[in-house]
Amino acid sequence: EPEVTQTPSHQVTQMGQEVILRCVPISNHLYFYWYRQILGQKVEFLVSFYNNEISEKSEIFDDQFSVERPDGSNFTLKIRSTKLEDSAMYFCASTPTTPSGSNQPQHFGDGTRLSIL
Amino acid sequence: RKEVEQDPGPFNVPEGATVAFNCTYSNSASQSFFWYRQDCRKEPKLLMSVYSSGNEDGRFTAQLNRASQYISLLIRDSKLSDSATYLCVVSNTGGFKTIFGAGTRLFVKA
Repeated sequence: EPEVTQTPSHQVTQMGQEVILRCVPISNHLYFYWYRQILGQKVEFLVSFYNNEISEKSEIFDDQFSVERPDGSNFTLKIRSTKLEDSAMYFCASTPTTPSGSNQPQHFGDGTRLSIL
Repeated sequence: RKEVEQDPGPFNVPEGATVAFNCTYSNSASQSFFWYRQDCRKEPKLLMSVYSSGNEDGRFTAQLNRASQYISLLIRDSKLSDSATYLCVVSNTGGFKTIFGAGTRLFVKA
């Protein structure tokens, strides 16, 4: 079964450094998402992306964050100047068709654990 | 009011028990509903979509009440492998924003 892949599985970065998390969605999927989960807390929506632009973003997704689809396969999340509170698990997800009214579930990657020192 | 609210549990049940989880959501325009399960430090995995007419998948039954903005999950004949956190998930109109509940922790013991 095709799957969403994320790299690296664990990233350790000094506070203030930039970090890029990478995702390869399932190949025929068109809608992409990033979530984060701070240890012991709930999964939080960050951003959705379709047709090379952001469809929706949460209050968490401030100017520190950006997303990009640099080529036909990768979908990246960049955090410009990391803070201690950015330490979390970051999940990428994708869906093949419009989520609207279709009960289309998202397929999740197994996450990147980001540790800010 | 939280956008998606769940009883955090934990629920501790013996093997073979029936257990029910509830979830309420605040946005009446929400369009799509799901139950996911999450094992410790793993990604969420789809358990089942939830349809207006209610739906069943083996030992799992999901119900949706749009008037009450309420979703439920029933697990029959619990197995040890059902031990996990169950996440109620709601998508807004358009489906581009998905809100997760904080999850209900289930422990099934022998």
